[in-house]
Amino acid sequence: GAVVSQHPSRVICKSGTSVKIECRSLDFQATTMFWYRQFPKQSLMLMATSNEGSKATYEQGVEKDKFLINHASLTLSTLTVTSAHPEDSSFYICSARAGTGITEAFFGQGTRLTVV
Amino acid sequence: GQNIDQPTEMTATEGAIVQINCTYQTSGFNGLFWYQQHAGEAPTFLSYNVLDGLEEKGRFSSFLSRSKGYSYLLLKELQMKDSASYLCAVNGNAGNMLTFGGGTRLMVKP
Repeated sequence: GAVVSQHPSRVICKSGTSVKIECRSLDFQATTMFWYRQFPKQSLMLMATSNEGSKATYEQGVEKDKFLINHASLTLSTLTVTSAHPEDSSFYICSARAGTGITEAFFGQGTRLTVV
Repeated sequence: GQNIDQPTEMTATEGAIVQINCTYQTSGFNGLFWYQQHAGEAPTFLSYNVLDGLEEKGRFSSFLSRSKGYSYLLLKELQMKDSASYLCAVNGNAGNMLTFGGGTRLMVKP
């Protein structure tokens, strides 16, 4: 299957700092990428849909000024958690789908963010 | 709105068969996916159903009934490594995005 690379896999940062997470589709072009957050023992919650060359679409309750998403190319999307707080500590996962048809989503490895 | 339900936890014995159910109520339907997720890792694709019926893939099978808004994932000859969370996800109408159920944590015991 297609490969989606996400890094860093783990990051620890101080409260008030910003953290950038990268998501790359390595062997296909991803017009759309999705960013999820997952708290322990819970399912994936969609945060935003990232479309190449346009502004991301955020789900209700997700602060767009806090979670900055950039999708500058067909193979790269980034999520920046700004002014991180301990409650932002979570597992962040990106996924990408090839093309616009109904295809399986390929997931990145996930990023474990810990804010201290 | 979107509503996807699946049991929170299940326990089964090594070598046995287990069925994980998923019911959904979504605005539009363009297919249902099952993913496996081990703790701390990203989900991995197991199956995709868009038409009614059973899709078999080795030890894993998935069934869909669109009229009932129902799917199940069947795992045969359970192995210890099958202990994981199993996520049911529906592709609705909007934006080609997946909506995930809460996941079912399966524990396989010797």
